[in-house]
Amino acid sequence: NAGVTQTPKFQVLKTGQSMTLQCAQDMNHEYMSWYRQDPGMGLRLIHYSVGAGITDQGEVPNGYNVSRSTTEDFPLRLLSAAPSQTSVYFCASSYSVGARLDTQYFGPGTRLTVL
Amino acid sequence: SQQGEEDPQALSIQEGENATMNCSYKTSINNLQWYRQNSGRGLVHLILIRSNEREKHSGRLRVTLDTSKKSSSLLITASRAADTASYFCATVSRGGGNKLTFGTGTQLKVEL
Repeated sequence: NAGVTQTPKFQVLKTGQSMTLQCAQDMNHEYMSWYRQDPGMGLRLIHYSVGAGITDQGEVPNGYNVSRSTTEDFPLRLLSAAPSQTSVYFCASSYSVGARLDTQYFGPGTRLTVL
Repeated sequence: SQQGEEDPQALSIQEGENATMNCSYKTSINNLQWYRQNSGRGLVHLILIRSNEREKHSGRLRVTLDTSKKSSSLLITASRAADTASYFCATVSRGGGNKLTFGTGTQLKVEL
């Protein structure tokens, strides 16, 4: 199993550009999520999904869109990039959902810089 | 907002010593998890403790949970240079399912 994969590893954007960060998992996990990590801030939840066709907002959803058309894929779209979105982005997946949410499997991250 | 706060923010010890990190959280939880992050890499799950458990062991790791004080500790015994990493606690709040909330982390450096 490849686990959780993310592409690209690095990306530089100009303010106002849009892009999609890709995330895929091959573990048949129902739960998938996106986090951003900024220095000294830990990880903050952007969006999550408990299954195909179901998404919801996390702590910092503004400026990001997600969709979940298949169990395997959970892309994160930046609509109009801003310097404040410069961060490292992590995708994660988990077998269990709801109150039984447990072990998260993380991808290697995408380092995004917005100029 | 951050649910968990780790203490200390940074810790430097010698190889062979024990390392203790603490996590405090604000609301009642279903479970608390600890993760490790090597520099520039993704997070790796270490251990999960449920709200009805008080202590859990995994190899050189020992986690305790005190729900009355809303706190947890992670003990790494006989530390090695390879344990150098950032350690994060994360909680699933009771009534807040589907969201895992991370603390700000402890940076551990183990020196030879």
